Amino acid sequence: DAGVIQSPRHEVTEMGQEVTLRCKPISGHNSLFWYRQTMMRGLELLIYFNNNVPIDDSGMPEDRFSAKMPNASFSTLKIQPSEPRDSAVYFCASSLANTEAFFGQGTRLTVV
Amino acid sequence: GQSLEQPSEVTAVEGAIVQINCTYQTSGFYGLSWYQQHDGGAPTFLSYNGLDGLEETGRFSSFLSRSDSYGYLLLQELQMKDSASYFCAAGAGSYQLTFGKGTKLSVIP
Repeated sequence: DAGVIQSPRHEVTEMGQEVTLRCKPISGHNSLFWYRQTMMRGLELLIYFNNNVPIDDSGMPEDRFSAKMPNASFSTLKIQPSEPRDSAVYFCASSLANTEAFFGQGTRLTVV
Repeated sequence: GQSLEQPSEVTAVEGAIVQINCTYQTSGFYGLSWYQQHDGGAPTFLSYNGLDGLEETGRFSSFLSRSDSYGYLLLQELQMKDSASYFCAAGAGSYQLTFGKGTKLSVIP
């Protein structure tokens, strides 16, 4: 397996634009996590899914953020409208049990 | 809620031993895991403790005490390439995985 695949690797967008981040988890994994990492706040859990169902989205900062998992092999994190304070590295991770998570390479988002 | 505390920075000498502590407050605690992240990279899994005691994986060992809500990562025979950030993460319930803010380890000659 190629591991967790995220796209794009880098995204630069203007404030107010919609941003969509994509994630393909490892085949067979039943949990998927979206994290945001900044220097100030560290690695924050935004939302996680189990068997494609959102279990806890309490970490999603605002209504501008939304996440979907339409099937076991694909998830999206959308920000609409984007703001400069959303600039961060966004990681997707998948796991079979919550003992070990495998991370994608991340998407570095810059909102100008 | 879930919270984990770990030191923000640690500096150690090449060849030495360093211990990174982690305390947690987690409802429905399941187990404690450790991740390594080099600058510009993604976190990668190092070890997991589901039971009290010590788990050893090469130069790295991890310890858990559930009664103290405490764990640590022990790195022996430090190498320059061990300079990275180290995160503890608490598994809770069946699915949740919450990370501490990370400890930046600097290994000096």
